[in-house]
Amino acid sequence: QQQVKQSPQSLIVQKGGISIINCAYENTAFDYFPWYQQFPGKGPALLIAIRPDVSEKKEGRFTISFNKSAKQFSLHIMDSQPGDSATYFCAASRGWEYGNKLVFGAGTILRVKS
Amino acid sequence: GAGVSQTPSNKVTEKGKYVELRCDPISGHTALYWYRQSLGQGPEFLIYFQGTGAADDSGLPNDRFFAVRPEGSVSTLKIQRTERGDSAVYLCASSRLPGLAGGSTDTQYFGPGTRLTVL
Repeated sequence: QQQVKQSPQSLIVQKGGISIINCAYENTAFDYFPWYQQFPGKGPALLIAIRPDVSEKKEGRFTISFNKSAKQFSLHIMDSQPGDSATYFCAASRGWEYGNKLVFGAGTILRVKS
Repeated sequence: GAGVSQTPSNKVTEKGKYVELRCDPISGHTALYWYRQSLGQGPEFLIYFQGTGAADDSGLPNDRFFAVRPEGSVSTLKIQRTERGDSAVYLCASSRLPGLAGGSTDTQYFGPGTRLTVL
């Protein structure tokens, strides 16, 4: 059972454009939703995270939109740059009572064309 | 400060052999996780340590896999009788635990991974 579904699998965006990646989850007990960025040969690195008590969080060019009723959340990258080309993973966890273990989506390969 | 380090970065072994993968977490991080990432997939949880004990090993695929963290710092993931299907990148992550007053979920910091290839 895939608990976190991510789309699209890959995405090509022009420099300066907006990149949008979507995730849907099934388990309503999830209470922490991070996005990770991974470059080839490197481990994932936290980009931005949100908890379900807010509907949006913005950090620089990166914004998470969260829709609790629809069980969906998305990452928006404004003014996309070639350096943003990487694989992006959404994830979810149930918090420390359950060890805060992360359930990841399958990933989205983003390519920003200059 | 130093991040999470993992050794070796690459490991090639033959089917049936035993391998050990090492993780050095960030100093002071009590929580340590192992994940496995297959090609084109997101990381999948294997095991979680809180201090020296394995608090949750529900993600280990079978009894050929086990992990230890004897002194609450460095951890070793051990795979016996390796199979070709074990080929993947094995990622380690560490984080602080929330404070005594409770607290929010904390960031997991990942190492670069060990790429295991079983021939």
